Amino acid sequence: GQQLNQSPQSMFIQEGEDVSMNCTSSSIFNTWLWYKQDPGEGPVLLIALYKAGELTSNGRLTAQFGITRKDSFLNISASIPSDVGIYFCAGVSGGYQKVTFGIGTKLQVIP
Amino acid sequence: EAGVAQSPRYKIIEKRQSVAFWCNPISGHATLYWYQQILGQGPKLLIQFQNNGVVDDSQLPKDRFSAERLKGVDSTLKIQPAKLEDSAVYLCASSLLRGAYEQYFGPGTRLTVT
Repeated sequence: GQQLNQSPQSMFIQEGEDVSMNCTSSSIFNTWLWYKQDPGEGPVLLIALYKAGELTSNGRLTAQFGITRKDSFLNISASIPSDVGIYFCAGVSGGYQKVTFGIGTKLQVIP
Repeated sequence: EAGVAQSPRYKIIEKRQSVAFWCNPISGHATLYWYQQILGQGPKLLIQFQNNGVVDDSQLPKDRFSAERLKGVDSTLKIQPAKLEDSAVYLCASSLLRGAYEQYFGPGTRLTVT
């Protein structure tokens, strides 16, 4: 099955720094989603994007739906220790609105 | 509101044995999903139910995996016989309507096949 490409795959940052990560695909998606997964838990939805070019914020998080509909970006500003976790992008397509996940970006925040 | 419940949380079995996982979705959620998440990867959809009917099982290895959703509520996922490569976390999620992007995930069942 297809999995989306995410980069970077892991990153260490200092508390207070801004973070950027992206997701790319060879396929077009109608919707892009960003999830966060903490250890031992299921993913939690952070942001949903529904239109090409859309820019959406949720607190310190900002995500964009790429113009080509084949990519998306997530930015986290002023990182804090609780931002630690794995961030997944997911694309939605097809009549049954199938969700395809990326491989994840593991974020570590150094206090 | 209670979240998605899954059991067991952990399971260790030997290859060729059988195993079953249980999921109780959020009350009133019509759509239920089973995902397989191998270590270091994102979740991969195995099967999607709309009420008690299957709408997508294209990535379910049907020679060894089966799933059912009784009365459109609880669901079980079974593996028989298990292989080493089945070691993964099995996540259950539910959503209010088909295609609703707000999928609520359970904590998952971590399966180790030795």
